[in-house]
Amino acid sequence: KNQVEQSPQSLIILEGKNCTLQCNYTVSPFSNLRWYKQDTGRGPVSLTIMTFSENTKSNGRYTATLDADTKQSSLHITASQLSDSASYICVVSANTGFQKLVFGTGTRLLVSP
Amino acid sequence: DAGVTQSPTHLIKTRGQHVTLRCSPISGHKSVSWYQQVLGQGPQFIFQYYEKEERGRGNFPDRFSARQFPNYSSELNVNALLLGDSALYLCASSLRQESSGNTIYFGEGSWLTVV
Repeated sequence: KNQVEQSPQSLIILEGKNCTLQCNYTVSPFSNLRWYKQDTGRGPVSLTIMTFSENTKSNGRYTATLDADTKQSSLHITASQLSDSASYICVVSANTGFQKLVFGTGTRLLVSP
Repeated sequence: DAGVTQSPTHLIKTRGQHVTLRCSPISGHKSVSWYQQVLGQGPQFIFQYYEKEERGRGNFPDRFSARQFPNYSSELNVNALLLGDSALYLCASSLRQESSGNTIYFGEGSWLTVV
């Protein structure tokens, strides 16, 4: 069964600190992995997209890594800001010919002043 | 340029009723997908439409249906509403059918509450 698991479920950090979120997946055949940021009650916003051959991808203070062998990904947030408070969702696509995204349940991040 | 637009933003329906949700993709995008996000969970794939044809379907009952119009906008219809259909319904827009190398943009969603 195609699954995406994320940890931790929730996280509280102080403003200015770094944090790393984890994602493990069993989606097969693998096509690509994305990280999205979702504010409560809003639509997800794309942060990074990585294919099988990419190990790391950065977008400003966000850096995602991918290990396709172990089927693990991480999202590192540097110098956190209050506006980083949101859910971060790991999304994996299977190579099915159509666009079926498998979402994790997300990590809820709270950045505290 | 407008992003993915969805309507209505919020609505309340009673059990047994029918609902129609609407989505306009980003201009030039031909793929529209629908997702259901129950509170506290990640979105679940419902349908993908590309070039006005259904290209993929998730594990949802036949009460859920959709269509895509010649201008690539889309409607999601849900019949015989159940309390469990209460969720945020997200529309996703992209240029191409496949996901690889294809940025997928989401709308702000339609909040459906079934009472």
